[in-house]
Amino acid sequence: DSGVTQTPKHLITATGQRVTLRCSPRSGDLSVYWYQQSLDQGLQFLIHYYNGEERAKGNILERFSAQQFPDLHSELNLSSLELGDSALYFCASSVDGVAKNIQYFGAGTRLSVL
Amino acid sequence: AQRVTQPEKLLSVFKGAPVELKCNYSYSGSPELFWYVQYSRQRLQLLLRHISRESIKGFTADLNKGETSFHLKKPFAQEEDSAMYYCALSENDYKLSFGAGTTVTVRA
Repeated sequence: DSGVTQTPKHLITATGQRVTLRCSPRSGDLSVYWYQQSLDQGLQFLIHYYNGEERAKGNILERFSAQQFPDLHSELNLSSLELGDSALYFCASSVDGVAKNIQYFGAGTRLSVL
Repeated sequence: AQRVTQPEKLLSVFKGAPVELKCNYSYSGSPELFWYVQYSRQRLQLLLRHISRESIKGFTADLNKGETSFHLKKPFAQEEDSAMYYCALSENDYKLSFGAGTTVTVRA
């Protein structure tokens, strides 16, 4: 167990809907990273937050947004969902704001858009 | 632009045979490279990183700046090595770019 907690484990929803994925980092970690894993695109970096502030953005759609709260947990909001958004969403945490330090991954949230 | 390329999606080897997973990168600065592994029903976890220059579970990886490669090797594959392997590049301090991954199956 990496100490990174993601909820829910599974999410089934319909096109056009909005969902929120939650991530609690390891105790003491200040950074949270979000990734999308799909069969055809592999593991894609979405966004990185450090101590409440956005640090880096990857291939994140405008329909997606994220934030990190004062208690350091993070939420990834996905809106106007499309079939292609079905994927496994991972978050990872690291102790500081440097991505090249070890990232500890959560078990992921599997999103199915029907 | 694809920063990390893993040309093999699937790799199947026999137990005891050598295994090599290819990783090529595109980056103009000083790269920091990693191999992450995901075993069945487990979380993605760091296997090794080039700055450590260590061998983990019998795996080694050497950074070749001339060939822009960071191939992962193990001389004698074991069944427990069956997993998904990702090569990753730290482009700056703030993000990691992952390759598409290689699924390794070690057959008895």
